[in-house]
Amino acid sequence: DQQVKQNSPSLSVQEGRISILNCDYTNSMFDYFLWYKKYPAEGPTFLISISSIKDKNEDGRFTVFLNKSAKHLSLHIVPSQPGDSAVYFCAAKGGTSYGKLTFGQGTILTVHP
Amino acid sequence: EAGVVQSPRYKIIEKKQPVAFWCNPISGHNTLYWYLQNLGQGPELLIRYENEEAVDDSQLPKDRFSAERLKGVDSTLKIQPAELGDSAVYLCASSLTSGARVEQFFGPGTRLTVL
Repeated sequence: DQQVKQNSPSLSVQEGRISILNCDYTNSMFDYFLWYKKYPAEGPTFLISISSIKDKNEDGRFTVFLNKSAKHLSLHIVPSQPGDSAVYFCAAKGGTSYGKLTFGQGTILTVHP
Repeated sequence: EAGVVQSPRYKIIEKKQPVAFWCNPISGHNTLYWYLQNLGQGPELLIRYENEEAVDDSQLPKDRFSAERLKGVDSTLKIQPAELGDSAVYLCASSLTSGARVEQFFGPGTRLTVL
C-alpha cells in the first residue's frame, strides 16, 4: 500500500523555466510533509517542508504548496538551474509515529542548459 | 560538522553469505534510522533507535536481519544469510530526536549486490 505517490518518474525542463513536481498521499493522519533531493551516490538531503496548518512555504527558488482536501502537494522550482538535476523525493510524517518518514518513489528532474 | 558516515560504500557478496553494514551518526544525535532503498523506489524504514533502544522495528525482516546500537552511538545492520532480493541501497540516517519537525540527516548509503 503506497501511502505517498509520485506518479511522474521523470521530468525534463529547460534552464530558467519552472519545474513542478507533484506528490499525492492517502493517509489523512499525515500532517508534516517534506521534500528531499538526492544526487547519485549520495544520501537524500532535506530541501523544504510544510506543516498541514499551512498551504504554502517558500525558501528562495523553492516553494511547496499543500492542498489538504485533495491530499496533494507540489514543489515549484523557479527558475530551474542545471544543478537542480537530481532525484526528488516527497515524504510525509504523522499519525502514531512521528519518527517514521514515508517516502514516495521519487521523480528524476533533468534541467537542460 | 561531520555528517553521517557509513561503510562500506559498496559490497558484493554471493547469496547465502552474511554481510554487515556500519553507521556512525552525527555527534549528539540520539535517534538513528536504517532505511532500505530498492531501485526506482523511495527509502523505506527498517528500524529506528532512540539511544540504544529499538523503538520501531516492525519493518525489519527478523528471520535474516538484525541490528544493534551498542552504547547508543554507532550501529550495525546485519543480514544472514543474504538473498538475491536483498540487493539494494541501505541508508542510515540520524536526528537529534524523533519529533515531528526534526530533520533527518542521511548518510551516502551502502550499495549491496547479492550474486
